[in-house]
Amino acid sequence: DARVTQTPRHKVTEMGQEVTMRCQPILGHNTVFWYRQTMMQGLELLAYFRNRAPLDDSGMPKDRFSAEMPDATLATLKIQPSEPRDSAVYFCASGRQGGITDTQYFGPGTRLTVL
Amino acid sequence: AQSVTQPDIHITVSEGASLELRCNYSYGATPYLFWYVQSPGQGLQLLLKYFSGDTLVQGIKGFEAEFKRSQSSFNLRKPSVHWSDAAEYFCAVGLNTDKLIFGTGTRLQVFP
Repeated sequence: DARVTQTPRHKVTEMGQEVTMRCQPILGHNTVFWYRQTMMQGLELLAYFRNRAPLDDSGMPKDRFSAEMPDATLATLKIQPSEPRDSAVYFCASGRQGGITDTQYFGPGTRLTVL
Repeated sequence: AQSVTQPDIHITVSEGASLELRCNYSYGATPYLFWYVQSPGQGLQLLLKYFSGDTLVQGIKGFEAEFKRSQSSFNLRKPSVHWSDAAEYFCAVGLNTDKLIFGTGTRLQVFP
């Protein structure tokens, strides 16, 4: 049963520290999404990639967030420096081919707490 | 602007009772509509989706949803709820790209 994996599952850090979250999409999927979930804002799309190329990162604060896909099996989301308002659950999702009709498969999320 | 409204934040039902979760959308073009479920501590799982054709769509776990264009609604239903259905449910509308706009979610609690 293929799944999206995310590490770490939980991260507690202090304000100002760098945070890196990792995602392994389902093998063979060519589209990867990063979402953030908070009580106040709900689920927000931060960025997404197709075939490792960034297609849209308009939902991401550019000054401190960065997203990359070093290879087809790894996506990373970095926050530097982190702030308490970044506390949230960050989800990665992957899709087989992209496009609106494609199903997005979500990972279990990384719960980030910034003190 | 595109938006999705789930008017019920929290719903409680007894096991075996029927369920309807409401979803209204605002979107100028033909909508692509989705329902996802999130169990505690887990990611989201797709229950069903509507793109075109028959307005009543069947999904996994015994769920169905009906698209009503005149009411801009896509309500999720299940005839008999099981305790394992307790979770948070998200309605989403797809734009004509890969993007999904999610509603704020409805938390379902099931009493034995």
